[in-house]
Amino acid sequence: EPEVTQTPSHQVTQMGQEVILRCVPISNHLYFYWYRQILGQKVEFLVSFYNNEISEKSEIFDDQFSVERPDGSNFTLKIRSTKLEDSAMYFCASSVGGRGLVPYEQYFGPGTRLTVT
Amino acid sequence: GENVEQHPSTLSVQEGDSAVIKCTYSDSASNYFPWYKQELGKGSQLIIDIRSNVGEKKDQRIAVTLNKTAKHFSLHITETQPEDSAVYFCAAGERGGKLIFGQGTTLQVKP
Repeated sequence: EPEVTQTPSHQVTQMGQEVILRCVPISNHLYFYWYRQILGQKVEFLVSFYNNEISEKSEIFDDQFSVERPDGSNFTLKIRSTKLEDSAMYFCASSVGGRGLVPYEQYFGPGTRLTVT
Repeated sequence: GENVEQHPSTLSVQEGDSAVIKCTYSDSASNYFPWYKQELGKGSQLIIDIRSNVGEKKDQRIAVTLNKTAKHFSLHITETQPEDSAVYFCAAGERGGKLIFGQGTTLQVKP
């Protein structure tokens, strides 16, 4: 069964450093999302992406964050200058859609644990 | 703002018993309500979902009910098994859009 994959599973970085979290969505999916979960808190929406542009973003997704689909398979989240409070589990998700059909189901990857020291 | 509240935070049942997890949502525009199961070290698996034009949906031992007027929806697991032990998340959102998640419920099924 096709799955969303994410790399790395765990990333440790120093405050102020740039990190790139990588996701490979399910191959025929066209809608992509990033969420994060700070330890002990709810899963929070960051950004959605469709047709090579951001569809929606949350207040969390400020200028320090960016997303990109550099090729036909990867979807990345970049944090330019990490802060201690960026430490969280980051989840990528994808939905099928296409042919004018807006999807319902979102399928999640296993997450990348980001630790900022 | 948009919010989803989920209860209980932990639930312990005996194998074979039923488990019920409840969620309430605030955004009237929500029209899609998925449930995810997260096992240790694994990603969140979509186990069942319901759309706003339906009041109930069932898939084997799992069912979800939706009350749009009261803005709440529930997950029902019957004949629980030890492998049902996991963290369950409810979410609410609009088709194609962001999902707002509940806090999660840790379900423990005792053999």
